[in-house]
Amino acid sequence: QSALTQPASVSGSPGQSITISCTGTSSDVGGYNYVSWYQQHPGKAPKLMISDVSNRPSGVSHRFSGSKSGNTASLTLSGLQAEDEADYYCSSYTSSSTRVFGTGTKVTVL
Amino acid sequence: QVQLVQSGSELKKPGASVKVSCKASGYTFTSYGLNWVRQAPGQGLEWMGWITTNTGNPTYAQGFTGRFVFSLDTSVSTAYLQISSLKAEDTAVYYCARDGGYDLRYWGQGTLVTVSS
Repeated sequence: QSALTQPASVSGSPGQSITISCTGTSSDVGGYNYVSWYQQHPGKAPKLMISDVSNRPSGVSHRFSGSKSGNTASLTLSGLQAEDEADYYCSSYTSSSTRVFGTGTKVTVL
Repeated sequence: QVQLVQSGSELKKPGASVKVSCKASGYTFTSYGLNWVRQAPGQGLEWMGWITTNTGNPTYAQGFTGRFVFSLDTSVSTAYLQISSLKAEDTAVYYCARDGGYDLRYWGQGTLVTVSS
């Protein structure tokens, strides 16, 4: 199972919106509405930000939103803040009843 | 509240074995699967597999068969990851994470395993 493809880095100024893509295949991202997104600050454990493509767990800011079209899922961060600077990973359920992570995206707030 | 507390850092020599623990609290242990995730230094997250906590059935991802074993002790709500015949490339932070449906909703703090002679 190959890792899902994410851009290595995305940057934006405070207050702007950015979008991170996550491209897979019809056997994972495209086949199921089970894409999740995780935020990881340096030296910390990942934190779930979006589940099932677009659901925000309790306590996650409304500035985070998720969507999917075909084999590509996306995470949008609106009103970018300094605290959003972190690594972001997508993950998908697969047709083999396994999970696969994305390659990861470093978000920089300029 | 749900908590996953992992054992402390380990320094091992090549060829040795290591056993990492993940103690769960705040929920019924046997109601949710437990996953293991590896993160090598400076690298991304890799899903290693998971274990069903009601039956103890493990599933291993490609690349994590043979030297990697998932196990449980349900009497103390604890999951274990054992790695044998350690190699330098096994140096990584290992996380346990609880299922939340089709996501990994709760994570342990991570355990650093360093393999060095």
